[in-house]
Amino acid sequence: SQTIHQWPATLVQPVGSPLSLECTVEGTSNPNLYWYRQAAGRGLQLLFYSVGIGQISSEVPQNLSASRPQDRQFILSSKKLLLSDSGFYLCAWSVGGSVAGELFFGEGSRLTVL
Amino acid sequence: DQQVKQNSPSLSVQEGRISILNCDYTNSMFDYFLWYKKYPAEGPTFLISISSIKDKNEDGRFTVFLNKSAKHLSLHIVPSQPGDSAVYFCAGYNFNKFYFGSGTKLNVKP
Repeated sequence: SQTIHQWPATLVQPVGSPLSLECTVEGTSNPNLYWYRQAAGRGLQLLFYSVGIGQISSEVPQNLSASRPQDRQFILSSKKLLLSDSGFYLCAWSVGGSVAGELFFGEGSRLTVL
Repeated sequence: DQQVKQNSPSLSVQEGRISILNCDYTNSMFDYFLWYKKYPAEGPTFLISISSIKDKNEDGRFTVFLNKSAKHLSLHIVPSQPGDSAVYFCAGYNFNKFYFGSGTKLNVKP
């Protein structure tokens, strides 16, 4: 069966510090991978998605970047965090190349920038 | 540009009654639509989906209706149970991307 893990679960960082959130998927090959953010009182905002190694599409210009160094690994990064980067970050995957299918989410990472 | 909108931030329903959650979208290219349920500090979990060529899909207590001419979909939960209390997100899918609404917090009162 397929599983998705992301870490760390909770992170408190000062403004201006770097960020690295990591996500891995097991039990499937060539998945589509996604990073979403849920800010306080807001919906799920699509930040990045990837259909293959090294292929990253950004949905919203911002202070963040994403990388996919391996087929089932997706990393969300920032060089200098802003207060507005606080939120609940969710990694997700779907079957690659599919027209119809689900999006499966990880457990989420709570980021607080002080 | 918010392609999927949920205009009701919250809904309160008595146990045993029907819960109706609404969603509007602007992108007519969505291939299908999904509903997700989310508890605090957890990732959303999939509930039910509907293809853009259908107008209804039913799964147990959950039914999703799609009105393409109005660009509107709704999720019906019958009967509602206290365990259904959560935030519900609708999403539209097109070309590898899932776009979510802002969510509706459902409270089912015992």
